Amino acid sequence: ELKVEQNPLFLSMQEGKNYTIYCNYSTTSDRLYWYRQDPGKSLESLFVLLSNGAVKQEGRLMASLDTKARLSTLHITAAVHDLSATYFCAGRGGSEKLVFGKGTKLTVNP
Amino acid sequence: NAGVTQTPKFQVLKTGQSMTLQCAQDMNHEYMSWYRQDPGMGLRLIHYSVGAGITDQGEVPNGYNVSRSTTEDFPLRLLSAAPSQTSVYFCASSWGTGGLEQYFGPGTRLTVT
Repeated sequence: ELKVEQNPLFLSMQEGKNYTIYCNYSTTSDRLYWYRQDPGKSLESLFVLLSNGAVKQEGRLMASLDTKARLSTLHITAAVHDLSATYFCAGRGGSEKLVFGKGTKLTVNP
Repeated sequence: NAGVTQTPKFQVLKTGQSMTLQCAQDMNHEYMSWYRQDPGMGLRLIHYSVGAGITDQGEVPNGYNVSRSTTEDFPLRLLSAAPSQTSVYFCASSWGTGGLEQYFGPGTRLTVT
């Protein structure tokens, strides 16, 4: 049974700084998703990572996948206030069943 | 193309009442699913469907019923609401095994008193 763990669960950072969110998963998952959620809103898809070594970047966010270590990372470069949100990773636990981490609440302070 | 729609957006129920949360998609997706989101818990899968007439249980199915009579619609029924079912409910859809994206609806915030 797939389990997904994210850390940290809470992250407060200064604008302009870099940081990384980690997502570990317990068994094989053929893809890894990253989502963003703003308060009171739905989930917005950020990245889908399919293969070992996959790296995707969008603006100040970069996601990578290491299937051997069962680890995905979401790296934030030169954070800005607009990136404040909750970020979720999710693995695919068979068929189309997504298993989510508990989320990382990111607060970027000016 | 409306994507995934959910109704209602907000609902308050008394313990023991029943209701149906509606979910519809206009993308001809095979796969549809229901998740609940509770503070600090991420999203947890309640039920899912891989096509019309086919449904299965997810991680937290107790207290919920689903059916899938058409490709477009996937309603979630609460037969006898309990305070533990207070949550935000999200419906999602995707093409299925070959698809990459899961598209999420806007959510229904349910409070059971």
